[in-house]
Amino acid sequence: AQTVTQSQPEMSVQEAETVTLSCTYDTSESDYYLFWYKQPPSRQMILVIRQEAYKQQNATENRFSVNFQKAAKSFSLKISDSQLGDAAMYFCAYRSPNTGNQFYFGTGTSLTVIP
Amino acid sequence: DAGVIQSPRHEVTEMGQEVTLRCKPISGHDYLFWYRQTMMRGLELLIYFNNNVPIDDSGMPEDRFSAKMPNASFSTLKIQPSEPRDSAVYFCASALGTGELFFGEGSRLTVL
Repeated sequence: AQTVTQSQPEMSVQEAETVTLSCTYDTSESDYYLFWYKQPPSRQMILVIRQEAYKQQNATENRFSVNFQKAAKSFSLKISDSQLGDAAMYFCAYRSPNTGNQFYFGTGTSLTVIP
Repeated sequence: DAGVIQSPRHEVTEMGQEVTLRCKPISGHDYLFWYRQTMMRGLELLIYFNNNVPIDDSGMPEDRFSAKMPNASFSTLKIQPSEPRDSAVYFCASALGTGELFFGEGSRLTVL
């Protein structure tokens, strides 16, 4: 089974600053999908951003962008101009169309935003 | 679309009782996943369905847990008998093809 590793259990950032959350994954596949999900204290899991492995261009959604390094099997999330509402648990996820379209999640990174 | 709908939002029950959690996926989605989240174990996949057929139930803890998807618009996760260690937040999520997961708001279960 594929594994997804988030090596930073906790991170903090000053409001308006930039923070990068790390994610690496282990796979032998060439076709897959990567996601970042946000889980605020309300516990609702919300999609932040999605990346298709066949696309070389890094995905961007407003203040959120990724650095996708396919050869290194790395998929980091950059949050620019951090806001108090960004405080949440962030999960990296891998989806494999070759193994039943199952999702594999990392253990999460808890992000604190300091006013 | 109303999104993935789960019920109940909160359930408090006593050990030994039967618990049934319900889920209505987004219309048209062909995948449905059940996850369990705890502080100790994080987010765990219990079972998932494709076109109402269970694909992988290896995450179901034991025989006390069962899940069904009788049609494309409804799924249940049943625990019988429930135990205190089953206390967790249970999420249902659905997806279309190779798209992203859409999660419900979760059902918080407390077993006393």
